Amino acid sequence: GAGVSQSPRYKVAKRGQDVALRCDPISGHVSLFWYQQALGQGPEFLTYFQNEAQLDKSGLPSDRFFAERPEGSVSTLKIQRTQQEDSAVYLCASRPLAGGREQFFGPGTRLTVL
Amino acid sequence: GENVEQHPSTLSVQEGDSAVIKCTYSDSASNYFPWYKQELGKGPQLIIDIRSNVGEKKDQRIAVTLNKTAKHFSLHITETQPEDSAVYFCAATMNRDDKIIFGKGTRLHILP
Repeated sequence: GAGVSQSPRYKVAKRGQDVALRCDPISGHVSLFWYQQALGQGPEFLTYFQNEAQLDKSGLPSDRFFAERPEGSVSTLKIQRTQQEDSAVYLCASRPLAGGREQFFGPGTRLTVL
Repeated sequence: GENVEQHPSTLSVQEGDSAVIKCTYSDSASNYFPWYKQELGKGPQLIIDIRSNVGEKKDQRIAVTLNKTAKHFSLHITETQPEDSAVYFCAATMNRDDKIIFGKGTRLHILP
């Protein structure tokens, strides 16, 4: 079946612009995670949803970062007033309610802030 | 919080030889240790995982070992093939609904 999809795959923004990154989880997956992966590094946790509830946002680096999942399916990560240090790949992962602990990752959105 | 250290950062092995990647974790509460493979332009993909109540797990050419006392875990790939070339991440997590803490990754090159 279809995996996790993310759009756009690539985004170039000028410093100061706002961006919105979309994640479509696997159908029926209750849990959704966002991670930030800097070049040459491992992914770092940003935030976690269970259905529409944002249960953990401890990894968001500043109040310029905001995530939502209003209907418990598609999620959007918004970054306001982008800065060069926001350049990274943003990964989304989802997991079903029952079953194992594996998180299924999307291909990521590569954000470049000029 | 949890911290995962991974080494080496780069590893080159001859095709057909074995590759070993080692990781340590800091929080004894961690109880699930997945390994992910990431190819260029793709998201991480789970290749094997191990829970804290198990010392070793094997899946064809891939095996993981866990030493809870020492807080060490390792990935072993035998009979390496060109398609094994990728970046490998070890990781740790405590609860099912918890974030994954990743190591910095190992870039594995399989030499022909």
